[in-house]
Amino acid sequence: QVQLQESGPGLVKPSETLSLTCTVSGASVRSGSYYWSWIRQPPGKALEWMGHIYYSASTNYKPSLESRITISLDRSRNQFSLELTSVTAADTAVYYCARDVGRAGYFDYWGQGTLVTVSS
Amino acid sequence: DIQMTQSPSTLSASVGDRVTITCRASQSISNWLAWYQQKPGKAPKLLIYKASSLEGGVPSRFSGSGSGTEFTLTISSLQPDDLATYYCQQHNTYPFTFGPGTKVDVK
Repeated sequence: QVQLQESGPGLVKPSETLSLTCTVSGASVRSGSYYWSWIRQPPGKALEWMGHIYYSASTNYKPSLESRITISLDRSRNQFSLELTSVTAADTAVYYCARDVGRAGYFDYWGQGTLVTVSS
Repeated sequence: DIQMTQSPSTLSASVGDRVTITCRASQSISNWLAWYQQKPGKAPKLLIYKASSLEGGVPSRFSGSGSGTEFTLTISSLQPDDLATYYCQQHNTYPFTFGPGTKVDVK
């Protein structure tokens, strides 16, 4: 069974960097059949796709985040990670990692989500 | 970015009712549309992809249709377990975008 699990700090100070890791089990981040995405959801609001990474380490990012976001891959640990720099209160959200199916771009497995609050 | 809208924003229906949610895209996305169900405090769950393909394990009372810019999600006979918020998502063009959601509650 495919499982994804987010981990990282639940509180980040304004202007600092948000860092999260997604550990994948039951599937390999080395597979060419999937991309690996980060999606967030501010409290009470809709979902926002942030970007994804392929097994080759090629990435696609949401343009409005492109100057602040990096998604990377750790094949040896079967993990992928998110870094978001210069955070503000607007970055407070539940962050989900998810698997997206090949080049089709829909998400068939999701992590449980982790709440990250930006506050001093 | 392709903008996604959904109607209605909230919906109250009785158990056994047929329920329809509409999703519209700001430009044509062919049939590259997915539907998700999200229950409070939980991650979204994929129901439908490519507009009308039912994800494995999803009850057959859920169905999707449409192409181009207008799509529908139908629940043929609403069950208490269907209380949730439903989101559409276009998977045609980067950046992938979601609709604002439709909250379904059971009368």
